[in-house]
Amino acid sequence: NAGVMQNPRHLVRRRGQEARLRCSPMKGHSHVYWYRQLPEEGLKFMVYLQKENIIDESGMPKERFSAEFPKEGPSILRIQQVVRGDSAAYFCASSPSTGGDTEAFFGQGTRLTVV
Amino acid sequence: AQSVTQLGSHVSVSEGALVLLRCNYSSSVPPYLFWYVQYPNQGLQLLLKYTSAATLVKGINGFEAEFKKSETSFHLTKPSAHMSDAAEYFCAVSGRNFNKFYFGSGTKLNVKP
Repeated sequence: NAGVMQNPRHLVRRRGQEARLRCSPMKGHSHVYWYRQLPEEGLKFMVYLQKENIIDESGMPKERFSAEFPKEGPSILRIQQVVRGDSAAYFCASSPSTGGDTEAFFGQGTRLTVV
Repeated sequence: AQSVTQLGSHVSVSEGALVLLRCNYSSSVPPYLFWYVQYPNQGLQLLLKYTSAATLVKGINGFEAEFKKSETSFHLTKPSAHMSDAAEYFCAVSGRNFNKFYFGSGTKLNVKP
């Protein structure tokens, strides 16, 4: 059973371009979470999705950021018109159920650099 | 509201010495608490979790943590540090309903030979 797969591992974008980050959850997991880790900081919650539904997006910036988890295929975190401040590591996690005591499995992250 | 504070952004111990990484939490409901480890350029790996069963929780690689409600703490310990323990450690609290983690800012553990 493969772990949570994120790609690409590293992504370089120029200011104003779009960044698309992909996350394939573990097999059998229908709950996906995105976190952002700024340099020298802990991870900050961005969004929680179940198949085709956004459950909680309280951590998402109001503009330029969007997330989806379609019925088929990976979850996508999309950042439009990237700025230098978007440079960070973006981690995806998945879990098999929704309980707060359930272990979440993390991917290796996508490190976005905006130049 | 939930939050986590990790005291000490960097901790350095000698190989074989006790490891103590501090975590204090704030939660308006009985919390679920987690310790994760992150190796360079890797994702997070679960070390252990507290889910309101035993207050002393044993995890992988010889780590354990004790939930102390009166002190709102969940400190991580290991009796004898190994070089392979050098990594960054994150304490997290989650909501009751789903895995919305609130992470501390992390503690980087350095192990000296």
